[in-house]
Amino acid sequence: GNSVTQMEGPVTLSEEAFLTINCTYTATGYPSLFWYVQYPGEGLQLLLKATKADDKGSNKGFEATYRKETTSFHLEKGSVQVSDSAVYFCALSDDYKLSFGAGTTVTVRA
Amino acid sequence: ETGVTQTPRHLVMGMTNKKSLKCEQHLGHNAMYWYKQSAKKPLELMFVYNFKEQTENNSVPSRFSPECPNSSHLFLHLHTLQPEDSALYLCASSPQSRAGTDTQYFGPGTRLTVL
Repeated sequence: GNSVTQMEGPVTLSEEAFLTINCTYTATGYPSLFWYVQYPGEGLQLLLKATKADDKGSNKGFEATYRKETTSFHLEKGSVQVSDSAVYFCALSDDYKLSFGAGTTVTVRA
Repeated sequence: ETGVTQTPRHLVMGMTNKKSLKCEQHLGHNAMYWYKQSAKKPLELMFVYNFKEQTENNSVPSRFSPECPNSSHLFLHLHTLQPEDSALYLCASSPQSRAGTDTQYFGPGTRLTVL
């Protein structure tokens, strides 16, 4: 079956630091890949997505590239802000079902 | 504001109570979903509705009963719950189900506590 593995948290960073959250997947078909973000007290919001191999998704300074050869979709941001503190979820969609990773809690300190 | 609203935002209930969670989407989508988010566990898909028809029941106990009267509204009826059912219940919608590239839009969730 489909599954997503993302790095365990929590991750604590200083403002302007570089952030990487690793995500790898297992899928039988050709899934779409997503990063969702959950801010405190809120539901999940789409951060970015990629629908085919070598696609790069980007939004709000975050980027992730769909790497079929390594079955990965790592999330990166070059300079984080305090407002980026949240839980980040990697997910894949094969057909209609979203399979989520466990989530990575990121805290950015001023 | 994602266009998906959920009420109530917080709910405390006893194991013998009956309550309902409500979800409404204002996006013109045709598919709606219920998820359960528990501490330390990945999000679990519970139910999927497409054009008001249930297309997925992910082995959810019968004490959870979904209802989808139209494409804009989704309910989750709760009865005789257990303390381990305490969690954040998230509703989501998408243009259609069975379209893997579609983004799902989530509501803010209902924080349920079962005493």
